[in-house]
Amino acid sequence: RKEVEQDPGPFNVPEGATVAFNCTYSNSASQSFFWYRQDCRKEPKLLMSVYSSGNEDGRFTAQLNRASQYISLLIRDSKLSDSATYLCVVNNAGNMLTFGGGTRLMVKP
Amino acid sequence: GAVVSQHPSWVICKSGTSVKIECRSLDFQATTMFWYRQFPKQSLMLMATSNEGSKATYEQGVEKDKFLINHASLTLSTLTVTSAHPEDSSFYICSASQRSPGGDTQYFGPGTRLTVL
Repeated sequence: RKEVEQDPGPFNVPEGATVAFNCTYSNSASQSFFWYRQDCRKEPKLLMSVYSSGNEDGRFTAQLNRASQYISLLIRDSKLSDSATYLCVVNNAGNMLTFGGGTRLMVKP
Repeated sequence: GAVVSQHPSWVICKSGTSVKIECRSLDFQATTMFWYRQFPKQSLMLMATSNEGSKATYEQGVEKDKFLINHASLTLSTLTVTSAHPEDSSFYICSASQRSPGGDTQYFGPGTRLTVL
């Protein structure tokens, strides 16, 4: 079983749609959680950290359920520029990041 | 946010040659830098963790004699792919860890695309 699992997609959605990505992690001792965005042939960029209380940044909402070891990302009012691969990332001990396989999003006009 | 650079951005080389990739933290000191590799349509895989002034820690399956890492200063780490072969062709990305009150944050370099002919 992979340490961080994501549905690879692709998710094809129209502009303005709401889309949700899920992620599960296997290490119950994981300490912090992130969503990164990666554009084609570019490096990953931090989108947002994920907190147990849930957090929102504009059109993006992230949730963490430690009991279920489950992380989600919700994107509202999708824009064409949101098209990218979204990486679920877990930080275990020692500041080691473990990346999920990524979920590809394509927003169409 | 913090800036990490990598050089070169892309390199094409013949099989058997060695390639050196530099990773620099431009506006902060990074005690720890990480090297990742990403094959097409796959996620990033950690290769090694590099601490300034000490030997790198390699992940299982990564040959330390093939991927030489040097972390000579708090702002520079280098990865040398020795005797590169076509199967080493990949996207190599470094990250540098910046300490902050809320915890460490990793900032990624723009990556180096290596093609071995």
